[in-house]
Amino acid sequence: DGGITQSPKYLFRKEGQNVTLSCEQNLNHDAMYWYRQDPGQGLRLIYYSQIVNDFQKGDIAEGYSVSREKKESFPLTVTSAQKNPTAFYLCASTFREGTNYGYTFGSGTRLTVV
Amino acid sequence: QKEVEQNSGPLSVPEGAIASLNCTYSDRGSQSFFWYRQYSGKSPELIMSIYSNGDKEDGRFTAQLNKASQYVSLLIRDSQPSDSATYLCAVGSGNTGKLIFGQGTTLQVKP
Repeated sequence: DGGITQSPKYLFRKEGQNVTLSCEQNLNHDAMYWYRQDPGQGLRLIYYSQIVNDFQKGDIAEGYSVSREKKESFPLTVTSAQKNPTAFYLCASTFREGTNYGYTFGSGTRLTVV
Repeated sequence: QKEVEQNSGPLSVPEGAIASLNCTYSDRGSQSFFWYRQYSGKSPELIMSIYSNGDKEDGRFTAQLNKASQYVSLLIRDSQPSDSATYLCAVGSGNTGKLIFGQGTTLQVKP
């Protein structure tokens, strides 16, 4: 079955540590997105990529980094520069002409600072 | 800053009633509109999409769009306790595929 796989489901980060969240899709989608969701709030865009080897900052990119070396994969690194990383992280994908299709979401990664 | 606004709720309705969820958006160039349902602790799932003015029905769900008023709504008929969730409105424009999400409305359907 086609879909988006995010791993791990839960992740704990120590102060000053970098962590990487995985996102893999087998939907043949061109565009991929990373969103952050805080309790009781909507989704805020971190980074997005429309094609391989290209990506753009979203509204809250500071303290995060991404790569897009393969069409299927769009990992997100939460760096030590991100001072408040505790949140629910969602990866999504769509076709490049995507505003007409909406997103398919992964199951999310819940990151907690310990 | 392009914005999508929703009343955060909670909206409480009795089982069997019609639930009405509303959303306004600021970008007049918006072309596509979506409603996502998100259960607590889970990821959003797409339940409705609408692209032109008027109504679109799918089972118990009806999406309504009024571009002149920059307003989109979701009606849920015969509400069930299993409909209790947060409903996110999302608006897309341009060709980047980017969607702007509202903060969501929490719906509670009481048996």
